[in-house]
Amino acid sequence: QKEVEQNSGPLSVPEGAIASLNCTYSDRGSQSFFWYRQYSGKSPELIMSIYSNGDKEDGRFTAQLNKASQYVSLLIRDSQPSDSATYLCAVPSNSGYSTLTFGKGTMLLVS
Amino acid sequence: GAVVSQHPSRVICKSGTSVKIECRSLDFQATTMFWYRQFPKKSLMLMATSNEGSKATYEQGVEKDKFLINHASLTLSTLTVTSAHPEDSSFYICSASRTDEQYFGPGTRLTVT
Repeated sequence: QKEVEQNSGPLSVPEGAIASLNCTYSDRGSQSFFWYRQYSGKSPELIMSIYSNGDKEDGRFTAQLNKASQYVSLLIRDSQPSDSATYLCAVPSNSGYSTLTFGKGTMLLVS
Repeated sequence: GAVVSQHPSRVICKSGTSVKIECRSLDFQATTMFWYRQFPKKSLMLMATSNEGSKATYEQGVEKDKFLINHASLTLSTLTVTSAHPEDSSFYICSASRTDEQYFGPGTRLTVT
């Protein structure tokens, strides 16, 4: 069973700062990685996917993947109060059918 | 693109009744759809995986006779909670896969009185 680990937080950052969210995974063979954002009382929203080592940038978001160390991170630049949410890391599970294994999520608070 | 809808968004029902929740992929065809449940301040819990035209695969501990799933087409899956009880009150969320990415519907909040 694949495992995805995240610090539950909360991670508190001041407005305008860089928020760094980290995720480690157990299966060295994982090839794709996803970050979801979930506001309180809402469903998750896919914000980033990354497949290759290195950085992938999309607006204020940067996903970083290091397969050798088995971690993937999400950086949020110029953090805004509207970024306050729980961020979920996910990797495909062994079950097939595009099933994902989710981490428990890191709560981010921007104030 | 990649929009998933769910209906209803909120439902209140009496104990012992059944409730049907619809999940639709609006702008893409999804061969696989997923049903999750989430209790307040808890993690997402996968209930079942649904493939078009075949029986759903349920996760361990999820009663298939209580949570009936039908995946009638490439854009529609339904979850029916049969003989609902107060402990079934939860936030039910579907998702649909396009390639290897999953897109979530807005969720259905079920309250059983």
